[in-house]
Amino acid sequence: EAGVTQFPSHSVIEKGQTVTLRCDPISGHDNLYWYRRVMGKEIKFLLHFVKESKQDESGMPNNRFLAERTGGTYSTLKVQPAELEDSGVYFCASSSGTGPYEKLFFGSGTQLSVL
Amino acid sequence: LAKTTQPISMDSYEGQEVNITCSHNNIATNDYITWYQQFPSQGPRFIIQGYKTKVTNEVASLFIPADRKSSTLSLPRVSLSDTAVYYCLVGDVFSGSARQLTFGSGTQLTVLP
Repeated sequence: EAGVTQFPSHSVIEKGQTVTLRCDPISGHDNLYWYRRVMGKEIKFLLHFVKESKQDESGMPNNRFLAERTGGTYSTLKVQPAELEDSGVYFCASSSGTGPYEKLFFGSGTQLSVL
Repeated sequence: LAKTTQPISMDSYEGQEVNITCSHNNIATNDYITWYQQFPSQGPRFIIQGYKTKVTNEVASLFIPADRKSSTLSLPRVSLSDTAVYYCLVGDVFSGSARQLTFGSGTQLTVLP
């Protein structure tokens, strides 16, 4: 069974540019989450999809971040325009459970560097 | 929200049993305790989850005392490949909000040869 796949694994962009991160969850998982770790700090929640609907996006830092989940399958996280403080590792996770504390399957993350 | 406290780091030798304790003094009635493991350049990986007493799987055991104010992750006979960061999370499995899932700083376990 394929795990959660994230692309790209690394991205280096300049301040002001746009970057789009992609996440392919485990097939059949309705729940999809985005998290990030910035500046070596703790992993923080960004948002939660249930199928194609945003269940909770309270962790999104500002309106420069836009997440979508087309048809309830893969998801994209766009940062436009990117700022220096957006640098960090962005993780995607999926689950088939009804609650966030049930078993989550994480991808390997996208290391984003904004120069 | 139940806050957790774990040691920042621990060292062990190959073949030893490692016990990592997590304190969660204000754990709520509906909260479960979940442990994740994270290797460098990878996302966290689910290890074990429990509500009370003892839970055991092929990877680890989780001991939870009656008052549930702490829990201990036990890794039997660790190897070098068990070197990782271990996170203790506490929350309502079924109705908690995703934004409440906080990983904290975790415990860096280093297994020495």
